[in-house]
Amino acid sequence: NAGVTQTPKFQVLKTGQSMTLQCAQDMNHEYMSWYRQDPGMGLRLIHYSVGAGITDQGEVPNGYNVSRSTTEDFPLRLLSAAPSQTSVYFCASRWTPERDEQFFGPGTRLTVL
Amino acid sequence: SQELEQSPQSLIVQEGKNLTINCTSSKTLYGLYWYKQKYGEGLIFLMMLQKGGEEKSHEKITAKLDEKKQQSSLHITASQPSHAGIYLCGASPSRNTGKLIFGQGTTLQVKP
Repeated sequence: NAGVTQTPKFQVLKTGQSMTLQCAQDMNHEYMSWYRQDPGMGLRLIHYSVGAGITDQGEVPNGYNVSRSTTEDFPLRLLSAAPSQTSVYFCASRWTPERDEQFFGPGTRLTVL
Repeated sequence: SQELEQSPQSLIVQEGKNLTINCTSSKTLYGLYWYKQKYGEGLIFLMMLQKGGEEKSHEKITAKLDEKKQQSSLHITASQPSHAGIYLCGASPSRNTGKLIFGQGTTLQVKP
């Protein structure tokens, strides 16, 4: 199993540009989440999904869109990048809530100029 | 402010000393996770607690969840430089929602 994979590993954008961060898992996990990590802020939940076709907002959803058309993939879209979105982004997945380990991807380091 | 509060925010200890990191919430927590992160790297799963009063240990690290399931502590015995990093607690603030949130992290330095 590849686990949770994220692409790209690094990305530099200009303000106003759009892009999609890719996340895929091959463990057949129903639950997937996107987090951003900023210094001193820990991990903050952006959006999460409890299964294909079902997504919900987390703590900091503004400026980000998600969709979940398949169990395996959970892309995160930035429609118009802003410098405040400079961060490290982590995707995660798990079988069921509150009972199983949550597996994290390696992260994407995004810089918005 | 975040729903999960970790304390202290940072910690510097001498090698060989014991230390404790706390994770607290005003709400009942469902599924309490502890992760470790080396600087600039990914997250390493340490352990997960579910039941009030539960305690788990792995090598020199022990985690406990209080009876009310509103506070967890992570205790490291005889710290080593390899324990250095960022420790993050995560939990679900409500049952069966799939929403898993994290505290702001505790940065640990261990001086040789």
